[in-house]
Formats: sequence, structure tokens, C-alpha cells
Amino acid sequence: AQSVTQLDSHVSVSEGTPVLLRCNYSSSYSPSLFWYVQHPNKGLQLLLKYTSAATLVKGINGFEAEFKKSETSFHLTKPSAHMSDAAEYFCVVSEGNDYKLSFGAGTTVTVRA
Amino acid sequence: KAGVTQTPRYLIKTRGQQVTLSCSPISGHRSVSWYQQTPGQGLQFLFEYFSETQRNKGNFPGRFSGRQFSNSRSEMNVSTLELGDSALYLCASSLRGAQADTQYFGPGTRLTVL
Repeated sequence: AQSVTQLDSHVSVSEGTPVLLRCNYSSSYSPSLFWYVQHPNKGLQLLLKYTSAATLVKGINGFEAEFKKSETSFHLTKPSAHMSDAAEYFCVVSEGNDYKLSFGAGTTVTVRA
Repeated sequence: KAGVTQTPRYLIKTRGQQVTLSCSPISGHRSVSWYQQTPGQGLQFLFEYFSETQRNKGNFPGRFSGRQFSNSRSEMNVSTLELGDSALYLCASSLRGAQADTQYFGPGTRLTVL
């Protein structure tokens, strides 16, 4: 069975400082891992995905994530937060042939001016 | 290329009624998935269709059903609505399915049950 745990329900950062969103996963197989972002009253947008190629994955808008199998983690980072990064972020796992995404509970990011 | 579209965007129903939501995938995408998003339960998988066949179903009661047409458009139906069915219903499409390809999400249908 697959699942993800997002370790922080809320993260608050100052504009221009680094952002770290933590995610641990549980999977019986070689998973695909994703980070999605949801801005208020908007749909979900893919930030980046890991599918067993390079362990350091670069995404859109300056985000990147590192897959660490030994730690079963897939943390999302950005060197410098922007006001437009304020949103909810979801760590997501998919495995095998069950054709579904399993979402974490989400982390709300607030960016202070 | 047009994105995933969902209609209607907002819906208000009363308990006991039924509702049908529609999703038009990105052109060429044959996989359509549905998810329910609520503040309490987060995002939960409802079902996935590929070429008119349901390949997987989440842990929801039989009141929730869906179908996919030959043009890949999909509908989901909820019968005998309950207050707890109030949620944002999101549709996602991809070429082949969740793990193989990126899923693209629509803006959602906000259902309110009174």
C-alpha cells in the first residue's frame, strides 16, 4: 500500500528566504512521487515529479526536490520564497498499476513581506 | 492546447437529490480520474477510467458512480445526496494513467449540499 505523510501542516517564511516542505512516503514498489500546488480557488498544478531517473528533480518556479530512498523522503525546497508562492502544497505518490494518486494532507505556505 | 474543463463550476443541491458532473479531458488523453477534496478528508481518489473502462475505484459508497464516453469525456454521478458530499470534485486527465504520465487537473466543481 502507498501513502505519504507531510510533516508540517503549515509553514511560514519571509519573502526571499528558503522554503522547505517535508514529505515521507511509504510504498511497496518503486513509486512515482510528485509535488502539486494549489492556489486559492484554483485547480492543482504539477510542480515536479520523480520517476526513478535522477534523484534530484527540478521543477517549475525554482522548486526542486530530492528523492532519498534510505530515508523514504521527498522534501521540496526553494532557495528564495516569493509572495506568489503562498499556496497549499501536496506531496503525492503513485505506484504499480492502480492508476491512482495518493495525496498527503497538504502543507499551507504563508509568505511574509 | 485546451486544458481539462469541468462543468458546472458551482452547484447547489439539497439532500436526497442526485447530481451529474462533467469532465472534458485534454485532447488525446484517454485516462480520466476523479477526486473529492474536503477540508476534513483532504483529496481522495474516487475512480479512474481508460477507454470507457473503469480500472480502479476508491473507497466510496455505491452512490458515487461514473462513466466515460468514446470521446474520453467523463461524467460522475452522485445519487441520494448527503450533507457530507459537499466538496470540491476534481477531474484529472492523462495519456495512459497516473503513474505513467503526468495528470493534469481541471479547476473543479464546487458542490454544496443543503
